[in-house]
Amino acid sequence: AQSVTQPDIHITVSEGASLELRCNYSYGATPYLFWYVQSPGQGLQLLLKYFSGDTLVQGIKGFEAEFKRSQSSFNLRKPSVHWSDAAEYFCAVGGLGNEKLTFGTGTRLTIIP
Amino acid sequence: EADIYQTPRYLVIGTGKKITLECSQTMGHDKMYWYQQDPGMELHLIHYSYGVNSTEKGDLSSESTVSRIRTEHFPLTLESARPSHTSQYLCASSDGGALNSPLHFGNGTRLTVT
Repeated sequence: AQSVTQPDIHITVSEGASLELRCNYSYGATPYLFWYVQSPGQGLQLLLKYFSGDTLVQGIKGFEAEFKRSQSSFNLRKPSVHWSDAAEYFCAVGGLGNEKLTFGTGTRLTIIP
Repeated sequence: EADIYQTPRYLVIGTGKKITLECSQTMGHDKMYWYQQDPGMELHLIHYSYGVNSTEKGDLSSESTVSRIRTEHFPLTLESARPSHTSQYLCASSDGGALNSPLHFGNGTRLTVT
């Protein structure tokens, strides 16, 4: 069975500081990995995804994520956060033959001035 | 911006009532999904559809039902609402499937059953 763990429920970062959100996954074969963001009162929006190729993937809004197979991780990073990045971030995993994505419990990001 | 709409945005209803949550998309996507979202919990897939007249149950057991008579419309129905159904329900659609294309989400319906 596939699963996702986001160990940080809530993270607070100062505006302009760097950010790293952690994601660990469990999947028996080559995973498809995703990061989605949910702003307050809205639905989720895809930030980036990884399946194969370069293990460092670039997404929208200046985000990037690095796939590390040895650590079963897919952490999301941003060099300098903006107040508009305050939202809830969800990591998800899926695989060939199973289009049903499994989402993590989310990490809520708060930005302070 | 994705063109996927959910109504109502908020709904407070008494136990035992029948309710239908509406979801429509104007992108012509074949694949549509219903997720249930509770605070601090992962999103759970409760129903999905790969096209007209196709519906499947997701991973989370749900007492709701869905229909897909038209490509653009994927309503979710609860025949008899209970307090345990209180949750946020998110509808999503995808062009090439969740692995190959982004899921486009609506803004959700927050349901409270009293």
